[in-house]
Amino acid sequence: DTGVSQDPRHKITKRGQNVTFRCDPISEHNRLYWYRQTLGQGPEFLTYFQNEAQLEKSRLLSDRFSAERPKGSFSTLEIQRTEQGDSAMYLCASSLPGPQHFGDGTRLSIL
Amino acid sequence: AQSVSQHNHHVILSEAASLELGCNYSYGGTVNLFWYVQYPGQHLQLLLKYFSGDPLVKGIKGFEAEFIKSKFSFNLRKPSVQWSDTAEYFCAVEVDGANNLFFGTGTRLTVIP
Repeated sequence: DTGVSQDPRHKITKRGQNVTFRCDPISEHNRLYWYRQTLGQGPEFLTYFQNEAQLEKSRLLSDRFSAERPKGSFSTLEIQRTEQGDSAMYLCASSLPGPQHFGDGTRLSIL
Repeated sequence: AQSVSQHNHHVILSEAASLELGCNYSYGGTVNLFWYVQYPGQHLQLLLKYFSGDPLVKGIKGFEAEFIKSKFSFNLRKPSVQWSDTAEYFCAVEVDGANNLFFGTGTRLTVIP
């Protein structure tokens, strides 16, 4: 069990730029989740994949956000035209049916 | 809408003191309940979980939690805390049929040696 891996750990970008984050789940975990966490808050659900199918999206996931999991393994989360309000920690989790295992997250800072 | 409340934002205890962190949720149906811990600089780790059966569940590092359905509560307890328990603790709820967790805002625990 190598754990959930997220890359990069920290991303600094200028407002208006596009950013992409990667998540590698625990192998054999067919479920993958993205969450966002801001200071002083708990993680908030963004989206969920079962294998390659994106089965659920939160209303927090605006049109500027897109997530993919093309082969049912790793996933990417892209934010287009970043805004100040996108500054947060983006967490990825994976699971079998059962408890979710979280990665270290990608911290996004918008200048 | 489902919500999870953790009323204690920051708890400061001396070593060997007893700990109880509150967690209440608002959902009338079947739930799965979790406590996660985040040590400084580390990722969220599962502390314990309740799916069904005995409402008193034991987790790692001497932690336990009790599910009281009538009170919609899932409080976390530890009889004697250690300095190494200093961390942020999150309660989370998975409602029946959903594919995501609802988290509370977290409780920061500081244990003074």
